[in-house]
Amino acid sequence: AQSVTQLDSHVSVSEGTPVLLRCNYSSSYSPSLFWYVQHPNKGLQLLLKYTSAATLVKGINGFEAEFKKSETSFHLTKPSAHMSDAAEYFCVTFSGGYNKLIFGAGTRLAVHP
Amino acid sequence: GAVVSQHPSRVICKSGTSVKIECRSLDFQATTMFWYRQFPKQSLMLMATSNEGSKATYEQGVEKDKFLINHASLTLSTLTVTSAHPEDSSFYICSALASGADLRTEAFFGQGTRLTVV
Repeated sequence: AQSVTQLDSHVSVSEGTPVLLRCNYSSSYSPSLFWYVQHPNKGLQLLLKYTSAATLVKGINGFEAEFKKSETSFHLTKPSAHMSDAAEYFCVTFSGGYNKLIFGAGTRLAVHP
Repeated sequence: GAVVSQHPSRVICKSGTSVKIECRSLDFQATTMFWYRQFPKQSLMLMATSNEGSKATYEQGVEKDKFLINHASLTLSTLTVTSAHPEDSSFYICSALASGADLRTEAFFGQGTRLTVV
C-alpha cells in the first residue's frame, strides 16, 4: 500500500539559510507525490507535485523537490528560508486504489531571525 | 487557482447542539468533495468522500449518523455535526476535486473550520 513518512516532526532554521524537509515514500508503482503547506488555522496550499514527469519539480515560493526512485525519497528544499515560510508542511501521496490522498504526519518548520 | 470557500471559519456551540459547515467551490464544479478532521499538531484524517447526488462514503470508524454529509449540488457540500460533544472539537477541512479531474492533478482545500464544543 502507498504511504509517506516524514522523517522530521520539527525543523528549525535561521532566516536566509537552506531548508530541507525530508519525505520517504512507499509504493508498488510510480507514485504521485505532493507537498502542501498549512499556515496556522488555515487550509492547505499546494507547493508542488510530482506525477512521473521531470524528477526535479519546481514549486511556488522558491521551493523545489527531487524525486529519487533509488532512495524512495521526495525531499522538499529551498535555498534561503524566509520568515513567512514558518508553517506546517505535509508530504502527500495518492492512493489510486482507494481514490484518496494519504498524508504524512507533517513537519513543522520554524524560521528564526 | 481554483477557490474553495469554507464557512464558518470558527464556531463555538453548546454540547448537544448541531453545527453545519459549508464547503463551496467558487469557480469550478466539484463532483467529489472530501472532508477531513485535524487534531492539534496532527495530520489530516479523511472522514468521508462525498459525491454529488449520492451518499457519502465514510472511512472506517467515522460515525455516519453523527457526521452527516450532503452534497446536493456541484458546488456545495455540507458537513453537519449532530449532537456535538466536547470530543468533537477539532479543525475540519474540506477539499474539492474538479469534475473530470482526479487526485493526481490537484485537490483544492478550504480554509478550515475550527469547531469548539463547550
